[in-house]
This record gives sequence, structure tokens and C-alpha cells, in this order.
Amino acid sequence: QVQLVESGGGVVQPGRSLRLACAASGFSFSSYGMHWVRQAPGKGLEWLAVIWYDVSSKYYADSVKGRFTISRDNSKNTLYLQMSSLRAEDTAVYYCARDRRRDQASALWHWGQGTLVTVSS
Amino acid sequence: QSALTQPASVSGSPGQSITISCTGTSSDVGVYNFVSWYQQHPGKAPKLMIFDVSNRPSGVSDRFSGSKSANTASLTISGLQAEDEADYYCSSYTTSSTVVFGGGTKVTVL
Repeated sequence: QVQLVESGGGVVQPGRSLRLACAASGFSFSSYGMHWVRQAPGKGLEWLAVIWYDVSSKYYADSVKGRFTISRDNSKNTLYLQMSSLRAEDTAVYYCARDRRRDQASALWHWGQGTLVTVSS
Repeated sequence: QSALTQPASVSGSPGQSITISCTGTSSDVGVYNFVSWYQQHPGKAPKLMIFDVSNRPSGVSDRFSGSKSANTASLTISGLQAEDEADYYCSSYTTSSTVVFGGGTKVTVL
């Protein structure tokens, strides 16, 4: 069955960087678009970024553009989110999700369980 | 990239039907049929309930249905059950090739 397992979360100081990873299994990873979504404590879902199946295109929410970078390694079935210049407001559970399509954001078909990032001094 | 607009809360008694609205713009909901709905129980990851406006993934109860008119999409839950109590989020693809979520709606079963 489809599994998405996020890792890399933890406590980080403001201004520092952190890289999240999402290990995928149970499907052809290189055939689907992949997303990152976050949820601050007690708040709603916030979409962050998408990367198409072949890495040809990446799109970001304005709130993280220039600070966060989405990438993938299809040979390792792994999705990444490089986060820099972290702020307290980046504190959230970060989810990776697989799209229904490969090159258009149709629907977030499968979700991981999330990894908590806490930005605090 | 303004969030789609959803009511903060909706409630209903067991067996009743409720409808959650999701209002966007001509840059998202109004132009694409890539509208989805997600259910999230406390402490859990979201679950896809409706995709492409009105389609259900296999395994999702047919008590859940979706529709769209102009810039507003809707999720209807028929025959409300206690297990339907959760937060619900809509999302849409946008003309910027990004995704936007609604603010979420808390469904309470009275």
C-alpha cells in the first residue's frame, strides 16, 4: 500500500535551516506530482509547494517563496523540503502528499502522517 | 493567493444533511474543476473525500457529495453520522499553478 513517511522535524532556532524528507513506497514515485503542506498548531492547512513528476516545474506559496525549496530524488523515492531563515511562524506539522496527477495539482490523494517543526530559541 | 472562504462551523443532528460552502474567485474555483475536499479528525492527517468537484475516491461513503457553481463549491454530507464530526477543508488549483486551501469548517454532530 501507499506509504509516505516524513522525517527531519524537530526544534530549530530562528534564522537556522532545516531539511525535511518524505520517503515514498507502494507506488511509482516518479510518476506523480508531490506536495508539501503545513498546519500550524490549532490552525488550518496551508499549501506550501508542488513539484512535478519529472522535476520540470516547481511552484510555491508566496509565504515561503525564496526561503523554502522543494526537490525530489526519483532514484531514492524521496521528496525534500529545504527550509531556510526559519521564523517562529514556521512552527507547524509538515505533511508531504502525493497528487492524483503527474503535472497538475488535481488532488492530494495520499498524505503522510506529518513531522513537527518547532522554531524556538 | 488568498484562502478560499469557508464557514467556520456547521452543525446538524444525526441523519440530517449539511452543506459546506467554499467560495473562491475566477482565478481558482471558477476556472478549474480541480476542487477537492478533505476530512481531518483531531491529531490525524487529512483524508481526501472528493476530487475534481464531485468525484469520490473508492472507499469514501456515498453520503459525501460535491458540486460547484461559478466561484463556489459545496460539500454535502447526507445522513449525518457521529463519525463525520471533523474539520473539512476545500482546495483548488489556481491560474498560478499553485494550490489554495479554504480556512476549514468544523462539523459538529449534535
